[in-house]
Amino acid sequence: DAKTTQPPSMDCAEGRAANLPCNHSTISGNEYVYWYRQIHSQGPQYIIHGLKNNETNEMASLIITEDRKSSTLILPHATLRDTAVYYCIVRVHGSSNTGKLIFGQGTTLQVKP
Amino acid sequence: DTAVSQTPKYLVTQMGNDKSIKCEQNLGHDTMYWYKQDSKKFLKIMFSYNNKELIINETVPNRFSPKSPDKAHLNLHINSLELGDSAVYFCASSSLAGGQGHEQFFGPGTRLTVL
Repeated sequence: DAKTTQPPSMDCAEGRAANLPCNHSTISGNEYVYWYRQIHSQGPQYIIHGLKNNETNEMASLIITEDRKSSTLILPHATLRDTAVYYCIVRVHGSSNTGKLIFGQGTTLQVKP
Repeated sequence: DTAVSQTPKYLVTQMGNDKSIKCEQNLGHDTMYWYKQDSKKFLKIMFSYNNKELIINETVPNRFSPKSPDKAHLNLHINSLELGDSAVYFCASSSLAGGQGHEQFFGPGTRLTVL
């Protein structure tokens, strides 16, 4: 699985959009981009995933660049409850898929009032 | 209803003891996982079972032995506990049917402290 690089920490004002970047320059054609987050003392929580098109769900939007070498997770209106560590993970789908998630250091997002 | 549950939530024990952590999922998933999160917050996969068959076995000491009695349960037994085993252990589950398995659901974690 390709490696990802994220900034170690970011701040965001409550009510503003939080834009979390991720670099995955060695991503291969059959690897998807996943985002999970871990709120303090809880288990990780799935947010969103995508291959090459932009994706949106009730939690967030995922913007993937055309060359797929980087992506941005957007929380449109951050709240204090969005304070967490956000992990960007790339993972293969298909017959070789074991579901294995390789977590990096992630980005600690601090939402401030 | 809790999707992925773990027992116990906290476990404090002495070095050299043997202990087990239990995990159950009621999501009908075919795959379950154990992850370890150490004091530096690094989260690493340890084991995975798909339909009761071991499919992931990372470089983990053989003092750790997972057991999957059925698809809904994955237990972790640890022999001869060491100080370095102190960590939070997370169980997770997903469905790999059809080669997908988009979303893993994680349990609340078991905080193991070895004294």
